Amino acid sequence: GQQVMQIPQYQHVQEGEDFTTYCNSSTTLSNIQWYKQRPGGHPVFLIQLVKSGEVKKQKRLTFQFGEAKKNSSLHITATQTTDVGTYFCADSGAGSYQLTFGKGTKLSVIP
Amino acid sequence: EPEVTQTPSHQVTQMGQEVILRCVPISNHLYFYWYRQILGQKVEFLVSFYNNEISEKSEIFDDQFSVERPDGSNFTLKIRSTKLEDSAMYFCASSGLTGGRAWGDNEQFFGPGTRLTVL
Repeated sequence: GQQVMQIPQYQHVQEGEDFTTYCNSSTTLSNIQWYKQRPGGHPVFLIQLVKSGEVKKQKRLTFQFGEAKKNSSLHITATQTTDVGTYFCADSGAGSYQLTFGKGTKLSVIP
Repeated sequence: EPEVTQTPSHQVTQMGQEVILRCVPISNHLYFYWYRQILGQKVEFLVSFYNNEISEKSEIFDDQFSVERPDGSNFTLKIRSTKLEDSAMYFCASSGLTGGRAWGDNEQFFGPGTRLTVL
């Protein structure tokens, strides 16, 4: 897997505000996965993006993969307290199934 | 819904002791993994296992670590002589590829983890 940088490290939002986390790599990613980890929990798969420029939606969550496949983002519209947790992007390199995780963005939602 | 299970949930051991962490992957999955997460940090890959052998391992996975699939259901991680810096949450994961390199099908299912504390 490749090195993936993720920003911001922390994000505090008021309930109802939007939230975005970004994942960047200096080299081309083969595909990108997103996971959510609730406090005290384990990573739970959200989505996988494979194609350049791909956009996928899951209810209030929108995932994008950059045209150059060097960056990805996760956007949550109108956050809710149930969105609290750490969101990780993870690269699964070409020819490999190991996941290289970013450092994650810890989201706090203030009710 | 099928899930990955891990035992024990918490293991406390003395430095230098051997520990075995156990996992039961999802039954029809073919790839198995161990990851670790030091408190407050990112998840780090240790090893992947396929067809009864290690397919990939990271630099963390040195000679002190070994994995085994002793029967058709369990998948274990052994640390021979634990060090203080081995203290972490250890996650087992499995993925359900049907064979071959199906790049669009590598969703990994993580277990609840074993918290290892080395004193």
